[in-house]
Amino acid sequence: QKEVEQNSGPLSVPEGAIASLNCTYSDRGSQSFFWYRQYSGKSPELIMFIYSNGDKEDGRFTAQLNKASQYVSLLIRDSQPSDSATYLCAGGPNDYKLSFGAGTTVTVRA
Amino acid sequence: EPEVTQTPSHQVTQMGQEVILRCVPISNHLYFYWYRQILGQKVEFLVSFYNNEISEKSEIFDDQFSVERPDGSNFTLKIRSTKLEDSAMYFCALGGGHEQYFGPGTRLTVT
Repeated sequence: QKEVEQNSGPLSVPEGAIASLNCTYSDRGSQSFFWYRQYSGKSPELIMFIYSNGDKEDGRFTAQLNKASQYVSLLIRDSQPSDSATYLCAGGPNDYKLSFGAGTTVTVRA
Repeated sequence: EPEVTQTPSHQVTQMGQEVILRCVPISNHLYFYWYRQILGQKVEFLVSFYNNEISEKSEIFDDQFSVERPDGSNFTLKIRSTKLEDSAMYFCALGGGHEQYFGPGTRLTVT
């Protein structure tokens, strides 16, 4: 499978701050990108997906995609202690064959 | 968000035995997926399944693995002859239309 790399972290941010997560991918043919959140011992939860270059906002989350530079990022605004988790980036040529990154662990300090 | 259950939650088996992991979607979906996650490692795609056929599969999904929807509802993953390295969390996911929702997972331990 094609590689998806995430900044290793861990990332520690104070409550209320912005957490910035980055992800790069090696396959230029990748078109579908997803961000998941995974709490320890639990299954991944879908945060959002993005297909087009630019920004996509959903509540406190903003995903950014730059296909020319082959990176995807996720911003978490107004970080809350409940956002403390491992964030997984996934990408692929379509929705039906995704490669996941190793994840970035985020800790939000109260 | 669709609901999906997986059974069993934990399966312990001996090397060389066959195991069947089950995924039960609460609502109808078009696409089904199996992923696995070895402890401390990344989530790995195994297979996607649409309209009773495999849509995509990874290099991991070799002849030891098979999937089916035997009764039109349950979605199963069979591992014919388990190896120690098959020990992992196995997640079923449902989706279609740019979304994939993961089930709670089955922890498979091969001894």
